[in-house]
Amino acid sequence: DADVTQTPRNRITKTGKRIMLECSQTKGHDRMYWYRQDPGLGLQLIYYSFDVKDINKGEISDGYSVSRQAQAKFSLSLESAIPNQTALYFCATSDRLRPETQYFGPGTRLLVL
Amino acid sequence: AQTVTQSQPEMSVQEAETVTLSCTYDTSESNYYLFWYKQPPSRQMILVIRQEAYKQQNATENRFSVNFQKAAKSFSLKISDSQLGDTAMYFCAFMNPNAGGTSYGKLTFGQGTILTVHP
Repeated sequence: DADVTQTPRNRITKTGKRIMLECSQTKGHDRMYWYRQDPGLGLQLIYYSFDVKDINKGEISDGYSVSRQAQAKFSLSLESAIPNQTALYFCATSDRLRPETQYFGPGTRLLVL
Repeated sequence: AQTVTQSQPEMSVQEAETVTLSCTYDTSESNYYLFWYKQPPSRQMILVIRQEAYKQQNATENRFSVNFQKAAKSFSLKISDSQLGDTAMYFCAFMNPNAGGTSYGKLTFGQGTILTVHP
């Protein structure tokens, strides 16, 4: 079984709709991250969380919100989706003892029409 | 701000041969981490190898090894005995472990190199 899972794997939505992407992990890591990947730009950090009560904005947080429901779950929401949020979204985790090494989920491909 | 540059958009290699992917970076930090990630067609981001800047010895993981040249700010990946399953996009990435605020935990990625292994 995968250590970091993301649902859905693919999603098509319309402009203005609210959408939630979910991430779960069984690695027991306390730190979780959300990134987006655009062609030719690598990955950019949206939000990160040290633990359930500690959530922080990354470099491109505008238009996104997150919820850390439990140590193992970290959700990303687009309150009102817009076409330039079309991208590949990755969840990642890391352990506090080795925070520099992150393990990624399989990604969610989102298309906003 | 740190930048990571991968100057080879695409590379190809024959099965069983050796290929080297290039990466250069720019930083004023003395302590940092460098990574190579593999992204196959399945889209999964897979950590291939990790290097700590304060370690002079080059990291090795089975068929994968790096040539870390700190003064030149170069971090190349060598894949030996290439296999068809090595076909993927490869990303070089940088992390400053001392960065705080919005940059904490931030992996700065290069643009990626598409590697194709031919039978």
